[in-house]
Amino acid sequence: EAQVTQNPRYLITVTGKKLTVTCSQNMNHEYMSWYRQDPGLGLRQIYYSMNVEVTDKGDVPEGYKVSRKEKRNFPLILESPSPNQTSLYFCASSPGTQTTNEKLFFGSGTQLSVL
Amino acid sequence: KQEVTQIPAALSVPEGENLVLNCSFTDSAIYNLQWFRQDPGKGLTSLLLIQSSQREQTSGRLNASLDKSSGRSTLYIAASQPGDSATYLCAVNSGNTPLVFGKGTRLSVIA
Repeated sequence: EAQVTQNPRYLITVTGKKLTVTCSQNMNHEYMSWYRQDPGLGLRQIYYSMNVEVTDKGDVPEGYKVSRKEKRNFPLILESPSPNQTSLYFCASSPGTQTTNEKLFFGSGTQLSVL
Repeated sequence: KQEVTQIPAALSVPEGENLVLNCSFTDSAIYNLQWFRQDPGKGLTSLLLIQSSQREQTSGRLNASLDKSSGRSTLYIAASQPGDSATYLCAVNSGNTPLVFGKGTRLSVIA
């Protein structure tokens, strides 16, 4: 089944403890992206990647890192999480780039709580 | 900077009713606009994508229209069903900038 898989689904951690949220897609998509969703603020892009070894900042990149060593994987890294990073996180992928007319496919989300 | 607004924030209708969800955007220089559905605690599912050169797209009971010059899109749902209850979001793609999402319309279809 074609899908975007995120893990874990739920995560509770403490301030300053490094964590990684994994994202993998099995559709050979070029484009991958991370979003966070917060009540009243909607969905905001954190980072995106057009292809392997190519990553760029989105609207809210502070406090996050990403890597794209393989086409299928795009992990989100929080080196020193803080309570304001408590949010619902989504990974998404698309066959093309932001300048092509391709639908965006989302993972099921990771609910992160930083205490 | 592109801004996307969805009104109303919430909508409740009886089963079987036809309904329209609205999405407006401030900058008409767009590549495309997507409508998504989000169920509680789940990810987003792309319903329809309208390219900037298109006026509308249809999928089953869903029809999305785009009026680029006025900065508006509508999602029409025919013969609504309780299974249509979800939050519907529109997202505008302006090219080499992040997708801009509206905050969504939470739809409840009452049996």
